[in-house]
Amino acid sequence: DSGVTQTPKHLITATGQRVTLRCSPRSGDLSVYWYQQSLDQGLQFLIQYYNGEERAKGNILERFSAQQFPDLHSELNLSSLELGDSALYFCASSRSTDTQYFGPGTRLTVL
Amino acid sequence: DQQVKQNSPSLSVQEGRISILNCDYTNSMFDYFLWYKKYPAEGPTFLISISSIKDKNEDGRFTVFLNKSAKHLSLHIVPSQPGDSAVYFCAASGGSGGSNYKLTFGKGTLLTVNP
Repeated sequence: DSGVTQTPKHLITATGQRVTLRCSPRSGDLSVYWYQQSLDQGLQFLIQYYNGEERAKGNILERFSAQQFPDLHSELNLSSLELGDSALYFCASSRSTDTQYFGPGTRLTVL
Repeated sequence: DQQVKQNSPSLSVQEGRISILNCDYTNSMFDYFLWYKKYPAEGPTFLISISSIKDKNEDGRFTVFLNKSAKHLSLHIVPSQPGDSAVYFCAASGGSGGSNYKLTFGKGTLLTVNP
């Protein structure tokens, strides 16, 4: 158990819909990262938050957004969903070092 | 542009023998490297890491070697156990400056340890 929690574990929705994925980092970790794992692209960095502020953006679509709240939990919002958004979404957290610890992931299926 | 490459999609070894997983990178600004192990439907589990100022780091059965001049790192597992069977990801961070520690991952190598 990494100490990082993610909800829900599975999410099935339809094209055009909007969903919210939630992540709680390890106790004391200020950084939260979101990654997407799809079959053809592997694990891809989406976005990083540090203590409530956006720190870095990767290959994140404009339809996707995230935020980190004062209690340090983070939410990833995916809107206008397309079939190609079906993937595993992982959250990771870290302190000031480079080692990131990953949550169990949310499997999103868009039908 | 794949900056971290794991050229072997799969590797099969006998229990008790050594497993060697390889990883190459192209971005010379990477300064921290990690190996993760992943089972299906689970998140990646951190195994071991190495800073660019070192060339070897050891933790129990796991040793990571870094050859900066060749931009190559490898993970050695000795002795290999059936429970080690999983997908292993190489990851690298750095190269973006500041406090951005985003990880760039390879595509993974499926290790199968046969009893």
